[in-house]
Amino acid sequence: GDSVTQMEGPVTLSEEAFLTINCTYTATGYPSLFWYVQYPGEGLQLLLKATKADDKGSNKGFEATYRKETTSFHLEKGSVQVSDSAVYFCALFNTGTASKLTFGTGTRLQVTL
Amino acid sequence: DAGVTQSPTHLIKTRGQQVTLRCSPKSGHDTVSWYQQALGQGPQFIFQYYEEEERQRGNFPDRFSGHQFPNYSSELNVNALLLGDSALYLCASSLDVFYGYTFGSGTRLTVV
Repeated sequence: GDSVTQMEGPVTLSEEAFLTINCTYTATGYPSLFWYVQYPGEGLQLLLKATKADDKGSNKGFEATYRKETTSFHLEKGSVQVSDSAVYFCALFNTGTASKLTFGTGTRLQVTL
Repeated sequence: DAGVTQSPTHLIKTRGQQVTLRCSPKSGHDTVSWYQQALGQGPQFIFQYYEEEERQRGNFPDRFSGHQFPNYSSELNVNALLLGDSALYLCASSLDVFYGYTFGSGTRLTVV
C-alpha cells in the first residue's frame, strides 16, 4: 500500500539557518504530494503541494520539488524563523487507490534565537 | 469565511462509554473526512463521507461510525471506548481533493 517516510525529529536549528526535512514515498501510479504544518494546539494547515513530477510547490519561503525518480518530496527553507517552530507532515494523495491522505509520522522543528 | 469547525475541543470519557464528535465543513465543501492522530504520530484515515454516504473507510473497527447530513456537516461516533482511542480527532473538508483538504483544529479525546 501507499506509505510516506519522514526523517525523525526533533530538528533543532538556530534562526536564519537552512532547513531540509526529508520525505520519501511509496505509491503506485502518480500521487499528489503535500506538506502540512501543525502548530501547537492546532489542526493541520496546508503548506504547499505538487501534483506531478518535477513540479515545485512553494509558500512562505518553503519549497519542495516532486522527484519521481527518487520518490522524494523534501521540504526546504533558506532561512528559518522562530515562528516556523511546528510539526511538519509530508502526505500523499493517490486517486488510484483511495480517497484519502496518507501521512508520514511528522518531523518536529524547533528554531532558537 | 469560517473554515472547518469542530466541537467539542476537548472531551474526557470513561472506558466503555460512547462519544459523538461534530464537524462543520468549510463553506462550499461537500466532502468530509475524519482522521485519528495519536500522540506523536501522523493522522490516520478513519473514513470519508460524500453525499451522505461513506465513500471510503480506513482500517478502523466497526465501533467507529459516522454520518453526514444534508448540509454536509458530519458526526463521528465511537462506541465502547478503549484507552487506545485517546487521540486528537481531525475533520477535513474538501471540494476538489487536488486542491488539498482544509482541516479543523480537532477534538482532543481522552479516555480514562
